Amino acid sequence: DAMVIQNPRYQVTQFGKPVTLSCSQTLNHNVMYWYQQKSSQAPKLLFHYYDKDFNNEADTPDNFQSRRPNTSFCFLDIRSPGLGDAAMYLCATSTAGSSEQFFGPGTRLTVL
Amino acid sequence: GEDVEQSLFLSVREGDSSVINCTYTDSSSTYLYWYKQEPGAGLQLLTYIFSNMDMKQDQRLTVLLNKKDKHLSLRIADTQTGDSAIYFCAENAGYSTLTFGKGTMLLVSP
Repeated sequence: DAMVIQNPRYQVTQFGKPVTLSCSQTLNHNVMYWYQQKSSQAPKLLFHYYDKDFNNEADTPDNFQSRRPNTSFCFLDIRSPGLGDAAMYLCATSTAGSSEQFFGPGTRLTVL
Repeated sequence: GEDVEQSLFLSVREGDSSVINCTYTDSSSTYLYWYKQEPGAGLQLLTYIFSNMDMKQDQRLTVLLNKKDKHLSLRIADTQTGDSAIYFCAENAGYSTLTFGKGTMLLVSP
Protein backbone atom coordinates (compact mmCIF):
# COMPACT_ATOMS: atom_id res chain seq x y z
CA ASP A 1 0.00 0.00 0.00
CA ALA A 2 1.23 3.46 -0.86
CA MET A 3 1.89 5.33 2.34
CA VAL A 4 3.82 7.81 4.45
CA ILE A 5 6.05 6.23 7.09
CA GLN A 6 7.66 7.95 10.05
CA ASN A 7 10.40 6.54 12.21
CA PRO A 8 10.67 6.26 15.07
CA ARG A 9 7.11 6.62 16.40
CA TYR A 10 8.48 7.71 19.78
CA GLN A 11 11.78 9.47 20.35
CA VAL A 12 13.32 10.52 23.64
CA THR A 13 16.29 12.86 23.66
CA GLN A 14 18.15 14.94 26.17
CA PHE A 15 18.12 18.70 26.39
CA GLY A 16 20.61 20.02 23.83
CA LYS A 17 21.35 16.64 22.22
CA PRO A 18 20.81 16.66 18.43
CA VAL A 19 18.05 14.44 17.13
CA THR A 20 16.90 13.39 13.66
CA LEU A 21 13.41 12.29 12.72
CA SER A 22 12.79 10.52 9.45
CA CYS A 23 9.96 10.30 6.96
CA SER A 24 9.64 8.16 3.87
CA GLN A 25 6.91 7.86 1.28
CA THR A 26 5.95 5.38 -1.41
CA LEU A 27 3.48 7.76 -3.07
CA ASN A 28 6.13 9.35 -5.30
CA HIS A 29 4.80 12.81 -4.37
CA ASN A 30 6.79 15.91 -5.25
CA VAL A 31 6.02 17.83 -2.08
CA MET A 32 6.93 16.84 1.48
CA TYR A 33 6.02 18.79 4.61
CA TRP A 34 7.04 18.83 8.26
CA TYR A 35 4.60 20.01 10.91
CA GLN A 36 4.99 20.49 14.64
CA GLN A 37 1.90 19.77 16.74
CA LYS A 38 1.82 20.59 20.43
CA SER A 39 -0.87 19.35 22.75
CA SER A 40 -4.33 20.79 21.98
CA GLN A 41 -2.93 22.94 19.20
CA ALA A 42 -3.18 23.04 15.43
CA PRO A 43 -0.40 21.45 13.39
CA LYS A 44 2.09 24.19 12.59
CA LEU A 45 3.96 24.05 9.30
CA LEU A 46 7.74 24.22 9.80
CA PHE A 47 8.89 23.89 6.18
CA HIS A 48 8.26 22.00 2.99
CA TYR A 49 10.13 20.74 -0.03
CA TYR A 50 8.89 21.05 -3.57
CA ASP A 51 11.17 18.46 -5.16
CA LYS A 52 14.57 19.69 -3.97
CA ASP A 53 13.45 23.28 -3.41
CA PHE A 54 13.33 24.06 0.30
CA ASN A 55 10.67 26.45 1.63
CA ASN A 56 11.10 27.59 5.20
CA GLU A 57 8.25 29.21 7.13
CA ALA A 58 9.21 32.67 8.37
CA ASP A 59 8.73 31.81 12.05
CA THR A 60 10.49 28.43 12.05
CA PRO A 61 13.42 28.62 14.50
CA ASP A 62 16.95 28.12 13.13
CA ASN A 63 17.24 25.15 15.48
CA PHE A 64 15.13 23.19 12.99
CA GLN A 65 16.72 22.01 9.76
CA SER A 66 15.66 19.59 7.06
CA ARG A 67 17.21 17.41 4.38
CA ARG A 68 15.67 15.68 1.41
CA PRO A 69 18.26 13.42 -0.21
CA ASN A 70 15.81 11.94 -2.71
CA THR A 71 12.09 11.88 -3.58
CA SER A 72 11.26 9.22 -1.02
CA PHE A 73 13.00 10.48 2.11
CA CYS A 74 12.92 13.62 4.16
CA PHE A 75 14.59 14.27 7.53
CA LEU A 76 13.94 16.74 10.31
CA ASP A 77 17.04 17.67 12.31
CA ILE A 78 16.71 19.46 15.63
CA ARG A 79 20.18 20.75 16.43
CA SER A 80 19.77 21.57 20.11
CA PRO A 81 16.39 20.45 21.41
CA GLY A 82 14.85 22.48 24.20
CA LEU A 83 12.03 21.49 26.50
CA GLY A 84 9.70 23.58 24.37
CA ASP A 85 10.42 21.40 21.34
CA ALA A 86 8.64 18.42 22.87
CA ALA A 87 5.75 17.77 20.50
CA MET A 88 4.33 15.46 17.85
CA TYR A 89 6.09 15.91 14.52
CA LEU A 90 4.02 15.11 11.48
CA CYS A 91 5.26 14.47 7.96
CA ALA A 92 2.93 14.87 5.00
CA THR A 93 3.12 14.66 1.22
CA SER A 94 1.19 15.98 -1.73
CA THR A 95 1.42 16.08 -5.50
CA ALA A 96 2.54 19.29 -7.15
CA GLY A 97 -0.18 21.93 -7.21
CA SER A 98 -2.51 19.99 -4.92
CA SER A 99 -3.35 21.02 -1.37
CA GLU A 100 -4.61 17.50 -0.52
CA GLN A 101 -2.01 16.23 1.92
CA PHE A 102 -1.38 12.68 3.10
CA PHE A 103 -0.02 12.35 6.61
CA GLY A 104 2.23 9.88 8.34
CA PRO A 105 1.44 8.61 11.86
CA GLY A 106 3.79 11.12 13.48
CA THR A 107 6.79 10.92 15.81
CA ARG A 108 6.24 11.96 19.40
CA LEU A 109 9.38 13.67 20.71
CA THR A 110 10.11 13.88 24.42
CA VAL A 111 12.93 16.12 25.66
CA LEU A 112 14.36 15.32 29.11
CA GLY B 1 -3.20 36.76 8.08
CA GLU B 2 -5.11 33.51 7.87
CA ASP B 3 -6.81 32.13 10.94
CA VAL B 4 -9.09 29.10 11.28
CA GLU B 5 -11.35 28.89 14.31
CA GLN B 6 -13.17 25.88 15.72
CA SER B 7 -15.02 25.14 18.93
CA LEU B 8 -12.84 22.96 21.12
CA PHE B 9 -15.20 20.27 22.33
CA LEU B 10 -18.41 18.47 21.38
CA SER B 11 -20.14 15.67 23.22
CA VAL B 12 -22.94 13.58 21.69
CA ARG B 13 -24.70 10.30 22.30
CA GLU B 14 -24.23 7.32 20.01
CA GLY B 15 -26.77 7.43 17.17
CA ASP B 16 -27.21 11.20 17.29
CA SER B 17 -25.91 13.56 14.61
CA SER B 18 -22.79 15.61 15.30
CA VAL B 19 -22.15 19.02 13.78
CA ILE B 20 -18.67 20.49 13.97
CA ASN B 21 -18.28 24.12 12.92
CA CYS B 22 -15.35 26.08 11.55
CA THR B 23 -14.75 29.65 10.41
CA TYR B 24 -11.91 30.71 8.18
CA THR B 25 -10.62 34.05 6.99
CA ASP B 26 -8.89 33.54 3.64
CA SER B 27 -11.53 34.14 0.99
CA SER B 28 -9.12 32.98 -1.72
CA SER B 29 -9.00 29.42 -0.36
CA THR B 30 -9.78 27.00 -3.16
CA TYR B 31 -10.34 23.88 -1.09
CA LEU B 32 -11.42 23.34 2.50
CA TYR B 33 -10.66 20.11 4.29
CA TRP B 34 -11.75 18.04 7.24
CA TYR B 35 -9.16 15.78 8.87
CA LYS B 36 -9.65 13.27 11.69
CA GLN B 37 -6.97 12.51 14.29
CA GLU B 38 -7.31 9.57 16.65
CA PRO B 39 -5.19 9.47 19.84
CA GLY B 40 -1.49 9.08 19.12
CA ALA B 41 -2.03 8.96 15.36
CA GLY B 42 -1.47 11.17 12.35
CA LEU B 43 -4.14 13.08 10.47
CA GLN B 44 -6.54 11.18 8.22
CA LEU B 45 -8.26 13.05 5.41
CA LEU B 46 -12.02 12.64 5.80
CA THR B 47 -13.43 14.82 3.09
CA TYR B 48 -12.97 18.12 1.33
CA ILE B 49 -15.05 20.65 -0.55
CA PHE B 50 -14.20 22.87 -3.47
CA SER B 51 -14.91 26.54 -2.85
CA ASN B 52 -17.49 26.82 -5.64
CA MET B 53 -19.70 24.19 -3.95
CA ASP B 54 -22.01 24.76 -1.04
CA MET B 55 -22.60 21.15 -0.05
CA LYS B 56 -20.94 17.79 -0.37
CA GLN B 57 -22.25 14.48 0.92
CA ASP B 58 -20.15 11.37 1.40
CA GLN B 59 -21.94 8.49 3.16
CA ARG B 60 -22.48 9.63 6.77
CA LEU B 61 -20.60 12.88 6.23
CA THR B 62 -22.14 16.13 4.98
CA VAL B 63 -20.04 19.23 4.46
CA LEU B 64 -21.74 22.62 4.21
CA LEU B 65 -19.91 25.72 3.00
CA ASN B 66 -21.18 29.27 3.41
CA LYS B 67 -18.62 31.25 1.48
CA LYS B 68 -20.21 34.61 2.25
CA ASP B 69 -19.83 34.03 6.00
CA LYS B 70 -16.63 31.95 5.59
CA HIS B 71 -18.28 29.19 7.57
CA LEU B 72 -17.72 25.47 7.11
CA SER B 73 -19.44 22.63 8.93
CA LEU B 74 -19.12 18.87 9.11
CA ARG B 75 -22.18 16.82 9.98
CA ILE B 76 -21.72 13.19 10.98
CA ALA B 77 -24.97 11.22 10.84
CA ASP B 78 -25.60 8.30 13.19
CA THR B 79 -22.46 9.05 15.20
CA GLN B 80 -20.65 5.98 16.52
CA THR B 81 -18.20 5.56 19.41
CA GLY B 82 -15.50 4.97 16.77
CA ASP B 83 -16.04 8.52 15.58
CA SER B 84 -14.57 9.83 18.85
CA ALA B 85 -11.48 11.77 17.78
CA ILE B 86 -10.23 15.29 17.13
CA TYR B 87 -11.51 16.86 13.93
CA PHE B 88 -9.47 19.54 12.18
CA CYS B 89 -10.72 22.01 9.65
CA ALA B 90 -8.08 23.28 7.18
CA GLU B 91 -7.92 25.76 4.34
CA ASN B 92 -5.31 25.90 1.65
CA ALA B 93 -3.39 29.03 2.51
CA GLY B 94 -1.44 29.42 -0.68
CA TYR B 95 -0.06 27.05 -3.29
CA SER B 96 -0.28 23.67 -1.57
CA THR B 97 0.15 24.68 2.08
CA LEU B 98 -2.64 24.30 4.63
CA THR B 99 -3.68 26.30 7.66
CA PHE B 100 -5.34 24.20 10.33
CA GLY B 101 -7.73 25.07 13.11
CA LYS B 102 -6.95 23.93 16.66
CA GLY B 103 -9.29 20.98 16.32
CA THR B 104 -12.62 19.96 17.87
CA MET B 105 -12.58 17.01 20.22
CA LEU B 106 -15.66 14.87 19.59
CA LEU B 107 -16.65 12.55 22.41
CA VAL B 108 -19.33 9.97 21.64
CA SER B 109 -20.91 8.26 24.60
CA PRO B 110 -22.83 4.97 24.41
